[in-house]
Amino acid sequence: AQKVTQAQTEISVVEKEDVTLDCVYETRDTTYYLFWYKQPPSGELVFLIRRNSFDEQNEISGRYSWNFQKSTSSFNFTITASQVVDSAVYFCALMAGKLIFGQGTELSVKP
Amino acid sequence: GAGVSQSPRYKVAKRGQDVALRCDPISGHVSLFWYQQALGQGPEFLTYFQNEAQLDKSGLPSDRFFAERPEGSVSTLKIQRTQQEDSAVYLCASSPRGGRGYEQYFGPGTRLTVT
Repeated sequence: AQKVTQAQTEISVVEKEDVTLDCVYETRDTTYYLFWYKQPPSGELVFLIRRNSFDEQNEISGRYSWNFQKSTSSFNFTITASQVVDSAVYFCALMAGKLIFGQGTELSVKP
Repeated sequence: GAGVSQSPRYKVAKRGQDVALRCDPISGHVSLFWYQQALGQGPEFLTYFQNEAQLDKSGLPSDRFFAERPEGSVSTLKIQRTQQEDSAVYLCASSPRGGRGYEQYFGPGTRLTVT
């Protein structure tokens, strides 16, 4: 089965805290792609990162970082020093034939 | 440059009516995708076009759903004889290259409410 699980439905933090959003995936494919998208209250999904299955290097982009571990089928997303503008629903997605989204994690950052 | 646009942004239809939802992808983007997003859920794949060819329609929930992209740019998703369970946000996304492994850029969606 091809599946993405985001076990955290909602997370609430106070500004400047670090927060990690978990993503676990299942696929039988040896070649696949993983993505993270942000969906702010306006509703438009915003692309954050794409990672292919052969590239396990972690990536950092400003306050955002991603940890891809094939051994545990996880692709976790960390926001450092969170800000109120980070409040949104975050989706992890797996491309294996079609793009399969997790249920999303709603992040609320309070001032 | 301009992003993906969708129209209308909101549509209310009476049960049994036909609706047509439009997507204008980013200019030059080869691939186009439609998704359905129910409240509180992640988007679910409906169909995929590469240029004007519909390469995958496995996600369309019934034969009441039909999508086209006749000239390889604008796409229309049509739902015939709408039912209440069709109420959802319909998202369109485009991607610069063929194939499905590349990042997709999403439009704002059309929120369809069937009464």
